[in-house]
Amino acid sequence: NAGVTQTPKFQVLKTGQSMTLQCAQDMNHNSMYWYRQDPGMGLRLIYYSASEGTTDKGEVPNGYNVSRLNKREFSLRLESAAPSQTSVYFCASGRRDYGYTFGSGTRLTVV
Amino acid sequence: AQKITQTQPGMFVQEKEAVTLDCTYDTSDQSYGLFWYKQPSSGEMIFLIYQGSYDEQNATEGRYSLNFQKARKSANLVISASQLGDSAMYFCAMRPVNTGKLIFGQGTTLQVKP
Repeated sequence: NAGVTQTPKFQVLKTGQSMTLQCAQDMNHNSMYWYRQDPGMGLRLIYYSASEGTTDKGEVPNGYNVSRLNKREFSLRLESAAPSQTSVYFCASGRRDYGYTFGSGTRLTVV
Repeated sequence: AQKITQTQPGMFVQEKEAVTLDCTYDTSDQSYGLFWYKQPSSGEMIFLIYQGSYDEQNATEGRYSLNFQKARKSANLVISASQLGDSAMYFCAMRPVNTGKLIFGQGTTLQVKP
């Protein structure tokens, strides 16, 4: 099925460990985004990529890095996980005038 | 700076009644898109409706309509004939054309009472 695929769905990390969240879309979208959502709160933009080959910081980029590997894939890396990064992470892609499609989310716990 | 404000943390509505969820935004860009999303308790993000800043008519999608007042920088979502399945969190979002940055408000939790 067409859409945005995120992996993994769940992850538990120890403080200081690293990991990469993967995101892939098959809708030929230029724009891709990474968000975090903390309990009872809205989505905060971590990084985004307006087109292949470009990435920009969002509202809360500290502690994260991203790679736009190709038009389909946009990964988010935590180099040294901290408990404050416990959250639900969403990837999205789309076009401005047609809305944006979200992945199902990654629930990350850092202990 | 770009900002979305949703001032209603939680709202109740009786089934079959209409409800308005408020959203105001701030941007210096002249061209931008406005969006509303629904997030049920299962957690997925569902796209509801889109309004372009240069669209002359308010957007409508089924029971959803967007009350766009450009001069007031408001983009309120109106849900007509509320259903129990409308109980969810609703997010307003904005994307200026120039920056590509899509940001969200804090959300409004809507509960529909039978």
